Amino acid sequence: AQKVTQAQTEISVVEKEDVTLDCVYETRDTTYYLFWYKQPPSGELVFLIRRNSFDEQNEISGRYSWNFQKSTSSFNFTITASQVVDSAVYFCALSERAGGYQKVTFGTGTKLQVIP
Amino acid sequence: GAGVSQTPSNKVTEKGKYVELRCDPISGHTALYWYRQSLGQGPEFLIYFQGTGAADDSGLPNDRFFAVRPEGSVSTLKIQRTERGDSAVYLCASSQGGAAPTYEQYFGPGTRLTVT
Repeated sequence: AQKVTQAQTEISVVEKEDVTLDCVYETRDTTYYLFWYKQPPSGELVFLIRRNSFDEQNEISGRYSWNFQKSTSSFNFTITASQVVDSAVYFCALSERAGGYQKVTFGTGTKLQVIP
Repeated sequence: GAGVSQTPSNKVTEKGKYVELRCDPISGHTALYWYRQSLGQGPEFLIYFQGTGAADDSGLPNDRFFAVRPEGSVSTLKIQRTERGDSAVYLCASSQGGAAPTYEQYFGPGTRLTVT
């Protein structure tokens, strides 16, 4: 069974600081996808990034970057120069093929508070 | 275009009553998912529809929960004999369908169900 662990329950940072959200996953599959979603106070889950298990190249997209390490089953997410609007709950998720569709398992989330 | 919509946004019901929660997916999306999100937790998979059929209902907690999608578009999640433990936010998501990794799931704003 697949599992996603986000050990950080809550993080507070001061605006403009960088912050890294940790994610560790477990899966028996060799082909899978990892995601980060943002859930602002409005409640709607917003897709941020996706990575497949064959591509460990780390990338930067604007203020977002991620560090995927298969050897440690980790998929960490960094926000650079945080802003108050980044305050939200962030979910890491793992997707595996299950009978012709992508079955997604979410972590318990990390609540990020950016203090002005 | 319009995103995933869910109605009602909030539902308060008494223990033992029957409720229906509606999801209107993005037009053209053949895949539809229901998730349940309890306080402080990540979304948990309930059921997946591909077209009109429930391809995977393994996440439904018991037989009080049932979902339909008669015309392959709008879906209704039905809960009979509600219990206080059913209180949660019920999220709906849709995607273009199948197992293609680029078919990310788009989430609706959720229905907050409170059973008193």
